[in-house]
Amino acid sequence: KNEVEQSPQNLTAQEGEFITINCSYSVGISALHWLQQHPGGGIVSLFMLSSGKKKHGRLIATINIQEKHSSLHITASHPRDSAVYICAVLQGAQKLVFGQGTRLTINP
Amino acid sequence: NAGVTQTPKFQVLKTGQSMTLQCAQDMNHEYMSWYRQDPGMGLRLIHYSVGAGITDQGEVPNGYNVSRSTTEDFPLRLLSAAPSQTSVYFCASSYSVYTEAFFGQGTRLTVV
Repeated sequence: KNEVEQSPQNLTAQEGEFITINCSYSVGISALHWLQQHPGGGIVSLFMLSSGKKKHGRLIATINIQEKHSSLHITASHPRDSAVYICAVLQGAQKLVFGQGTRLTINP
Repeated sequence: NAGVTQTPKFQVLKTGQSMTLQCAQDMNHEYMSWYRQDPGMGLRLIHYSVGAGITDQGEVPNGYNVSRSTTEDFPLRLLSAAPSQTSVYFCASSYSVYTEAFFGQGTRLTVV
């Protein structure tokens, strides 16, 4: 069993829909990252969370440390949001462990 | 400000050949790391460094060597390439693991 599980693995939605991507982890962590991998392969960092909630534009990330769960929400989704979204957890002092990613497709 | 520069973008090697993947950053980041990305699997940490002269192994270090002689550069060496090392490799840097990470564009390596 992977230490970091993302769901769903694939998600297709219509433009404008509210999107939720989930990340669950099985071990204690000190921080969690959300990343976005573009269709061309480039990876950008979206959020780093250690507690609570963060918002950037139409993106919202939440984390519940007790339940070992994080969610990434996209409001008013747009075709340009189509990408793979990756959750990564910080275990121990310096090592990131990644989920397998969620492939999101937003149709116009 | 170039960010993280990773070269080459594509490479084909024969089994047993050696090569070095280059990674350089101009943001004065202390933390640098190398990952490989394989189909159906998440990114996996190969090696990381928390500063010049300090490196450590990640999840999948076998077959790879690293060194960090300067803050800017963190090359990844394959001493004797194997087909199992066919993958996409990413270098990343950040001030620490608790801050935003910046990724290179990736290297698609094929070992035949």
